[in-house]
Amino acid sequence: GAVVSQHPSRVICKSGTSVKIECRSLDFQATTMFWYRQFPKQSLMLMATSNEGSKATYEQGVEKDKFLINHASLTLSTLTVTSAHPEDSSFYICSASTGGREQYFGPGTRLTVT
Amino acid sequence: KQEVTQIPAALSVPEGENLVLNCSFTDSAIYNLQWFRQDPGKGLTSLLLIQSSQREQTSGRLNASLDKSSGRSTLYIAASQPGDSATYLCAVTSGGSYIPTFGRGTSLIVHP
Repeated sequence: GAVVSQHPSRVICKSGTSVKIECRSLDFQATTMFWYRQFPKQSLMLMATSNEGSKATYEQGVEKDKFLINHASLTLSTLTVTSAHPEDSSFYICSASTGGREQYFGPGTRLTVT
Repeated sequence: KQEVTQIPAALSVPEGENLVLNCSFTDSAIYNLQWFRQDPGKGLTSLLLIQSSQREQTSGRLNASLDKSSGRSTLYIAASQPGDSATYLCAVTSGGSYIPTFGRGTSLIVHP
């Protein structure tokens, strides 16, 4: 149980385009979803927290107009990187929670912006 | 603000060795501590979760201990195997938060 999927697993896009990453909880309802970013050999850094049906809460330094997060249902959250640039290339990981303190992590999405 | 440090950053050992990975944290008022495994280009796999009231957890060849007063946790891997090669991350959830703070991880290579 408690499986979280992400799609796509890898994406390459051109600079200036937008890319959408999906995060789904497959066998449970996620009241809260989290988006993390991980650079090579670095720890996971929380970007934002989203609760179903409400606006996401962004961490300091994360541009909310660049990283659009939608949590429209209890099983799906999306992260859209708008006008992507090479410096946005990273590994993006989502996690989901049923409201308690345990988070279930997705497999991650490798974004490469050329 | 909670800070999590993992030592060593990298480790390379021959197969069969017993290993200790270290994690230290600055704020001892924690809710839980979790060890994860991350394979290259992959997401996180939860290995062991220790609640603040617990001293250790065991799963197969893995044993994790927690000493809140000294702000330390260790992950012990017995009889290491090449399949154990991965990055091991320690994450601490503080008492007043739902968000874990991650260390940078220990990159482990077990060679045959």
